[in-house]
Amino acid sequence: KNQVEQSPQSLIILEGKNCTLQCNYTVSPFSNLRWYKQDTGRGPVSLTIMTFSENTKSNGRYTATLDADTKQSSLHITASQLSDSASYICVVSDSGGSNYKLTFGKGTLLTVNP
Amino acid sequence: GAGVSQSPSNKVTEKGKDVELRCDPISGHTALYWYRQRLGQGLEFLIYFQGNSAPDKSGLPSDRFSAERTGESVSTLTIQRTQQEDSAVYLCASSLATGYSGNTIYFGEGSWLTVV
Repeated sequence: KNQVEQSPQSLIILEGKNCTLQCNYTVSPFSNLRWYKQDTGRGPVSLTIMTFSENTKSNGRYTATLDADTKQSSLHITASQLSDSASYICVVSDSGGSNYKLTFGKGTLLTVNP
Repeated sequence: GAGVSQSPSNKVTEKGKDVELRCDPISGHTALYWYRQRLGQGLEFLIYFQGNSAPDKSGLPSDRFSAERTGESVSTLTIQRTQQEDSAVYLCASSLATGYSGNTIYFGEGSWLTVV
């Protein structure tokens, strides 16, 4: 069964600090991995998409890495801001041709305190 | 429109009633998806449309759930005889044609359904 496991479940950091969120997956065959940010009460917003051949991708203060051999990804947030408080969801596509066969992690709830 | 639009944003209904949830995808997006997110849980796939056909309905949890789509635009998710376990956020998303798996999927803000 395809699975996406995220850790930690929740994380509290101080404003200005960096943090790294982890994602391990067993989805096969692998197509791409996405990170989404979901503010409380809002829909998820795409941060990055990485295919098999990409091992890092940045979006502002967010940098995602992918190791397709070990089936691990991380999302690094630099110089955190209060607005970074949200759930970060790792999503893996298990089909080479279709966009919809996605397996979602349960997310890491990040709280950034002043 | 500029983004995926869903309505209603919040719905409280009595157990046993039927509800309809509406989704307006981004203009030009041929692929449309419905997901369910229960409190504290990850997103569950419900159904996917390519144009107005639904190649995969495997995520619909029971025959009380149905969805349709008009052309390449509006979709409606209908839940009949609602049960308390149907309480969740129902998220709609859209993307360009699914032939390229790297297309960004854009989500709406969700319809929050509470069955009392």
